[in-house]
Amino acid sequence: AQSVTQLGSHVSVSEGALVLLRCNYSSSVPPYLFWYVQYPNQGLQLLLKYTSAATLVKGINGFEAEFKKSETSFHLTKPSAHMSDAAEYFCAVSEGGSQGNLIFGKGTKLSVKP
Amino acid sequence: EAQVTQNPRYLITVTGKKLTVTCSQNMNHEYMSWYRQDPGLGLRQIYYSMNVEVTDKGDVPEGYKVSRKEKRNFPLILESPSPNQTSLYFCASSSRQGARNTEAFFGQGTRLTVV
Repeated sequence: AQSVTQLGSHVSVSEGALVLLRCNYSSSVPPYLFWYVQYPNQGLQLLLKYTSAATLVKGINGFEAEFKKSETSFHLTKPSAHMSDAAEYFCAVSEGGSQGNLIFGKGTKLSVKP
Repeated sequence: EAQVTQNPRYLITVTGKKLTVTCSQNMNHEYMSWYRQDPGLGLRQIYYSMNVEVTDKGDVPEGYKVSRKEKRNFPLILESPSPNQTSLYFCASSSRQGARNTEAFFGQGTRLTVV
């Protein structure tokens, strides 16, 4: 069965610093991988997705993620944090098989200090 | 505009009083699902539907029902709500590529409190 592990439930960075949010997955089939962002009192919004094309995926708001099969990782990065990046971030994997359900990690709350 | 619409956004109810949370999507997606979000637990799937009249249990289905009579609508029903169902609920619909979900679109959420 597929699963997703996000390392660190809370991450704090200074404005202008590198953002690195970690995601490791397990999957018995080539995975589809996603990062979602949730701002306070809002639903989840897709940041970026990997569906077996280029391994380096660029998303909205300057975020990107790299699929590394050997490390079973899909870490999310942004070179320079903005205050507006403060939110909760969820990594997800799409199951194989007939259902293709999305399995979510437990989320990482990002704080950005001025 | 592509969207998933949930109603209501906020709901306070009493134990045992049946309630329905509605969900509607305008993207002609076949796949729809319900999640609950609780602190420290992330999103857990309650039920999902692969198509009209096809529904199945997710990871935490106890105490919930769903129906899928039309492609666009996927209501969540709590026949006898209990305090442990106090949570933030999200409806989502997904585009598909073969057998996989390629992207989920989420509603704004329904914050339910059962007292």
